[in-house]
Amino acid sequence: KAGVTQTPRYLIKTRGQQVTLSCSPISGHRSVSWYQQTPGQGLQFLFEYFSETQRNKGNFPGRFSGRQFSNSRSEMNVSTLELGDSALYLCASSGTWDRGTEAFFGQGTRLTVV
Amino acid sequence: AQTVTQSQPEMSVQEAETVTLSCTYDTSESDYYLFWYKQPPSRQMILVIRQEAYKQQNATENRFSVNFQKAAKSFSLKISDSQLGDAAMYFCAYRSPPDKLIFGTGTRLQVFP
Repeated sequence: KAGVTQTPRYLIKTRGQQVTLSCSPISGHRSVSWYQQTPGQGLQFLFEYFSETQRNKGNFPGRFSGRQFSNSRSEMNVSTLELGDSALYLCASSGTWDRGTEAFFGQGTRLTVV
Repeated sequence: AQTVTQSQPEMSVQEAETVTLSCTYDTSESDYYLFWYKQPPSRQMILVIRQEAYKQQNATENRFSVNFQKAAKSFSLKISDSQLGDAAMYFCAYRSPPDKLIFGTGTRLQVFP
């Protein structure tokens, strides 16, 4: 069974640009969550989707948005990039969103904003 | 609000020895789950072990076991017979469904030969 796939693995963008990251969950998983990981702030929750609906949302500005498609694949978009958005963005998938099932993580997308 | 605290930023252990990583959490919920994740240099988070709060028995996965003290809100991870491949960042995490998964700040484990 293929794991969680995140693309691209690395990305370099300029301040003010926008970026879209992609996450394909494990086959059969319908819940996808996104996290931002930085040395200073640790792992911060962005949002969680299940069946194309956002179920949970973290405390990030509106520049951060996401969506989930009918095949459970998810995208995350960051508009008007700032230097502080440089981080490792992790995606996780699980079978459900309302139980304590474990989350399986992808290898992340390393975003560098210059 | 629920919080997860890992008070040991770094730990080290000799190969083949045992090490314990600490984690405490704060919650008023009765139904929740606790996890330990490992993040090696490859950056991929890997689930090490999972504990349901309603289960009194401590979870065990091969060389990894937990000491779950519900009243004290403590959830420590014990790694026995440490191996070089155990070197990584270890994150304690909490979830009370349907709320989000919350992570601690992590403990960097070094394993010396």
